[in-house]
Amino acid sequence: AQSVTQLGSHVSVSEGALVLLRCNYSSSVPPYLFWYVQYPNQGLQLLLKYTSAATLVKGINGFEAEFKKSETSFHLTKPSAHMSDAAEYFCAVSGTYNNNDMRFGAGTRLTVKP
Amino acid sequence: DGGITQSPKYLFRKEGQNVTLSCEQNLNHDAMYWYRQDPGQGLRLIYYSQIVNDFQKGDIAEGYSVSREKKESFPLTVTSAQKNPTAFYLCASSITGDPGELFFGEGSRLTVL
Repeated sequence: AQSVTQLGSHVSVSEGALVLLRCNYSSSVPPYLFWYVQYPNQGLQLLLKYTSAATLVKGINGFEAEFKKSETSFHLTKPSAHMSDAAEYFCAVSGTYNNNDMRFGAGTRLTVKP
Repeated sequence: DGGITQSPKYLFRKEGQNVTLSCEQNLNHDAMYWYRQDPGQGLRLIYYSQIVNDFQKGDIAEGYSVSREKKESFPLTVTSAQKNPTAFYLCASSITGDPGELFFGEGSRLTVL
């Protein structure tokens, strides 16, 4: 079984500052890992995914994440926060190509201060 | 434009009533999913379907039912047996065999009065 833990339900940064959202996973098989973003009252949108290729994954809107097996982590970063980055971010893990076993973290709400 | 359409966006229900949430996709995806979202709990899988006329229970299927009579449609019924139905419901679809590319609708918010 797979699971993810997102550290920090709320993160607040100033505009232009580094964004770091933490995700640790647990998986009995090599994992597929994902980050999704959700804007208020909308569905989720895929930001990026790791599927056993390069450990540093680049996504949309300037976000990237690094898969670290030794730390069982997949933290999401962005060098410079923009006001439009304010949203809720979900880390997810899957153990197979079947998305029906995907498990989501509880989410981290990112606030960007002007 | 291709995508997933959920309706209604907001729905109010009295206790003891069944309600059906609609989900339609024109992405030609084989797999479809229903998730429930509660504050601070992330998304939990209710039901999924990988092919027409077949569907499987997810982690929290009790009190819910689905059908998959057409590839494009995957309606969810919240029955009176669901003890705490007030939540945000999300429908998603994906290509079978493509890990992670879930495409989501905009959601339906159900409130039980």
